[in-house]
Amino acid sequence: GAGVSQSPSNKVTEKGKDVELRCDPISGHTALYWYRQSLGQGLEFLIYFQGNSAPDKSGLPSDRFSAERTGGSVSTLTIQRTQQEDSAVYLCASSLSRPEGTQYFGPGTRLLVL
Amino acid sequence: SQQGEEDPQALSIQEGENATMNCSYKTSINNLQWYRQNSGRGLVHLILIRSNEREKHSGRLRVTLDTSKKSSSLLITASRAADTASYFCATDSLNTGTASKLTFGTGTRLQVTL
Repeated sequence: GAGVSQSPSNKVTEKGKDVELRCDPISGHTALYWYRQSLGQGLEFLIYFQGNSAPDKSGLPSDRFSAERTGGSVSTLTIQRTQQEDSAVYLCASSLSRPEGTQYFGPGTRLLVL
Repeated sequence: SQQGEEDPQALSIQEGENATMNCSYKTSINNLQWYRQNSGRGLVHLILIRSNEREKHSGRLRVTLDTSKKSSSLLITASRAADTASYFCATDSLNTGTASKLTFGTGTRLQVTL
């Protein structure tokens, strides 16, 4: 079946503008995760959604970052008033619930803030 | 602080040689996973080892886990140029949640030359 998809694949924006990044998880996966990866670095956890539970937002770096997951499927990560330090690859992953722990990643959105 | 830290940060070997990467972590875990990433894009799951397992094999991959030392190693045997990528370990820490919230290390960049 189809894997995790993300759009856009690349986004260039000007400092101060808002951006929306989209993630379509694998059908039937109840958990959805957002990560950020700066150039040459590891993955930084941002937020995850699990079924109808309240999302774990503990990794969001500032209140400019928010995410929602509508209908338990598609998720949107919004960054308001973008800053140059927001430039990174934003990766989305989905998984089944425990005990299966494997996360399946999308190709990512490369964000460049000028 | 880094939950997962890999070493070495970079490894260069010739095709046919074995490559060994190590990962250390700090907290108790449910499982530890290894992922591969090409060209700074989406990650691909390689192998998962549970906390009650000590060794696992998958094709040319061999993973070990020592929970007393909080460390794991990934061995790639008979490496190929196509194995060139970044390799990340990720830990699924013990918690009462139903989603697997992974903490990723900083990665080992493997270069396999002909």
